[in-house]
Amino acid sequence: SQQGEEDPQALSIQEGENATMNCSYKTSINNLQWYRQNSGRGLVHLILIRSNEREKHSGRLRVTLDTSKKSSSLLITASRAADTASYFCATDPDSGGSNYKLTFGKGTLLTVNP
Amino acid sequence: NAGVTQTPKFQVLKTGQSMTLQCAQDMNHEYMSWYRQDPGMGLRLIHYSVGAGITDQGEVPNGYNVSRSTTEDFPLRLLSAAPSQTSVYFCASSYGQAGANVLTFGAGSRLTVL
Repeated sequence: SQQGEEDPQALSIQEGENATMNCSYKTSINNLQWYRQNSGRGLVHLILIRSNEREKHSGRLRVTLDTSKKSSSLLITASRAADTASYFCATDPDSGGSNYKLTFGKGTLLTVNP
Repeated sequence: NAGVTQTPKFQVLKTGQSMTLQCAQDMNHEYMSWYRQDPGMGLRLIHYSVGAGITDQGEVPNGYNVSRSTTEDFPLRLLSAAPSQTSVYFCASSYGQAGANVLTFGAGSRLTVL
């Protein structure tokens, strides 16, 4: 079953604008991760935020986590055409012990128009 | 560093045929996993392994077998292919740090079952 659900399913913006994608999940987590997938390629890890963190930055990426609402957002600032890709959130469930079943959402397709 | 290498990249099978998707990593990662990606479904975990000789089922294990005889290799076997197994398959690996399981993905293997 899907743990994370991204919103919106698709997003189209102009180069230079900011892009915001959201992820909601159902159960307690150890951490939440965001991955990017360019068309026809494998997924690439972008950023990880732990359950005790509220915000994290990496370059033009800003991730927030609200565990009370079981939601996360990914903000890409000053977007570029090269940011065109699908973005997935993945949740690492807190099952009380070692758990390696990272669960992915269905993704948000971001198109950045030049 | 090659990272995670998957072969073949493309394969067409007839219903009932068997085949093995190969996955190899050169990063000395303990954790390896197989996901399938279908349109509108995101990625779903098939099987995973936390070390040589240890495997476990994911969300959608039926119709697939795995084994882990070495740290480097984690092949996925389809014993009797069905059209429902038409998908893109991704192998992923990590150091397997509990609570921070960050995955490195292969480029994918696109399988069509006629």
